[in-house]
Amino acid sequence: KAGVTQTPRYLIKTRGQQVTLSCSPISGHRSVSWYQQTPGQGLQFLFEYFSETQRNKGNFPGRFSGRQFSNSRSEMNVSTLELGDSALYLCASSWSGEKLFFGSGTQLSVL
Amino acid sequence: GNSVTQMEGPVTLSEEAFLTINCTYTATGYPSLFWYVQYPGEGLQLLLKATKADDKGSNKGFEATYRKETTSFHLEKGSVQVSDSAVYFCALILGSSNTGKLIFGQGTTLQVKP
Repeated sequence: KAGVTQTPRYLIKTRGQQVTLSCSPISGHRSVSWYQQTPGQGLQFLFEYFSETQRNKGNFPGRFSGRQFSNSRSEMNVSTLELGDSALYLCASSWSGEKLFFGSGTQLSVL
Repeated sequence: GNSVTQMEGPVTLSEEAFLTINCTYTATGYPSLFWYVQYPGEGLQLLLKATKADDKGSNKGFEATYRKETTSFHLEKGSVQVSDSAVYFCALILGSSNTGKLIFGQGTTLQVKP
């Protein structure tokens, strides 16, 4: 069974640009969650989607948004990038929203 | 608020030594508890879980017991290998209204020397 797939693996952007990250969950999983990992703040929850609906949201500004498609694939978007948005962005999928399986992440660098 | 606290690292051990990584939590309600491991350049892998008091999770020689009285979920392994070198994260999730929302500790780096 294929795992969680995130694309791209690496991204370099400049301040003010926007970026879209993609996540394909494990087949059959309908819940997709997104996390930001930085050396200073650690792992922080962004949001969770289930059957195309956002079920939970973390404490991030509105520049961070996401969506989920009918095939459970998910995207997250960050607009007006700031230097502090440089991080590893991890996607996780699960059947119920509790036991999460993570992808390898997208490393975003904002210059 | 809800939180997870792990012992600070790095933890440096010789191969075949006994490992303990301490984890305590603060939570309203009855969380499920998890240990995840992250190898360099990779995402997180679920190592083990426990969903209620006194449950013991185990996998690949690692064990952790859900202790409600001490709000702890310490990770142990009897004999570590060089390949166990990684960052270990303790995490909790709180019920059906917090689906997908893991609360992580800060992570503990384990270095195992041959």
